Parts: sequence; structure tokens; C-alpha cells
Amino acid sequence: NAGVTQTPKFQVLKTGQSMTLQCAQDMNHNSMYWYRQDPGMGLRLIYYSASEGTTDKGEVPNGYNVSRLNKREFSLRLESAAPSQTSVYFCASTGGDFNQPQHFGDGTRLSIL
Amino acid sequence: EDQVTQSPEALRLQEGESSSLNCSYTVSGLRGLFWYRQDPGKGPEFLFTLYSAGEEKEKERLKATLTKKESFLHITAPKPEDSATYLCAVQGAGTYKYIFGTGTRLKVLA
Repeated sequence: NAGVTQTPKFQVLKTGQSMTLQCAQDMNHNSMYWYRQDPGMGLRLIYYSASEGTTDKGEVPNGYNVSRLNKREFSLRLESAAPSQTSVYFCASTGGDFNQPQHFGDGTRLSIL
Repeated sequence: EDQVTQSPEALRLQEGESSSLNCSYTVSGLRGLFWYRQDPGKGPEFLFTLYSAGEEKEKERLKATLTKKESFLHITAPKPEDSATYLCAVQGAGTYKYIFGTGTRLKVLA
């Protein structure tokens, strides 16, 4: 059972470079989420997609864009990376509309020099 | 504003020494409170969902309880393999968003 798959697992970028983090789920879930996790700050929501074709901002969307490519895939793009975006990024998905647990990938560890 | 606070930030226990982790929350219309376990280098792994005050869930050495203001994760006779960070999250009414606490780092010593 693959669940939620994130690629790449690790990445080092230089300031100003761009990249896209990929996320795919095979559970036929409607909702997908992108979080960042920083020491002492917990998981903070960047963007989410309640269903295919919709996306909405979370708590910390500045500097990021997302694309819900289809029901399975939800990508996160950094257009011009900044050192403040050094973090661990997690993708999650949820079945049903409300009050369902989230299923997480194992994260992308991103360092921006 | 929806908010989740977890305490303590870190906890060291001897093997077999039972204890509890706390998750205090403020949310408009609780739809669900969720407990996760996170191991180093991994994503959070779902443990329990609690929906209403008075509800309890158990799994092996873990028991989660819920009141109108807080949830407890009780760990009975922990083992070293229970060492992890435990996260609490809530979802309020009419939203797809989940609010996470900053977690409790648990270390169980053999």
C-alpha cells in the first residue's frame, strides 16, 4: 500500500531557484494538503485542495503556488526560493468531507542556501 | 481563533513508568480531535479520532480521552519503542482545515 508518495525526499537549492514538490495519493481521497514543519512551530498549512479543481490558501501561503493536477496529484511550487523556506514539507490527504484523519507522506527535506 | 496547545513539550520516562500527555484546544464546533505519532524522518501516523466529550479510544498501551476543553493521551507501562513525537490536531465546524499543536517529544528509557 503506497498511500501518499512525495518526491523528492531531499533537495538543496540556491536562493532564487525554483522547484516543484510532487505529491500523489492512491486512496481515492478528495482532499489534499501541503504543510511545512519547522522546529518549535508544528505543522503549518500552506495550501489545501478540498476537491479536484479547487485550491485555497492556508496559514502561510506567501512564496508558494499549488496545482491540483487531478484527483491523485497535488504539487507545490516555489517560484523563487528563499532561505526562510528551508523546512520539511509534508503532503497529506483525507477521504470524505469532514472529521476524517489525514494520511501523510514521509516528507521532502528542503534546504535553501 | 482555533488553537491547540500541547504539554509538556518533552517528556522522559523510564520503561514501565506510566504518564499522560495533554492537548488543550479552542475550536468553534469540534468536528474531530486527532492524535498522531511521528517518528524521526517520517510523516505523522494516525492513532485516534475522538468526536465528542466523554469518548475514549484505546490501542495497545495508549488510551485517548476527550473533554470539552482538552484531550489526554495516557501511556501505560511504556516501552522504548513508544519513543516518538505525539501530535494533536483539531478540525472545527465548516472547514477543511486542521489545526495542529507543536507536539510532545516522548523518550522512554530502557
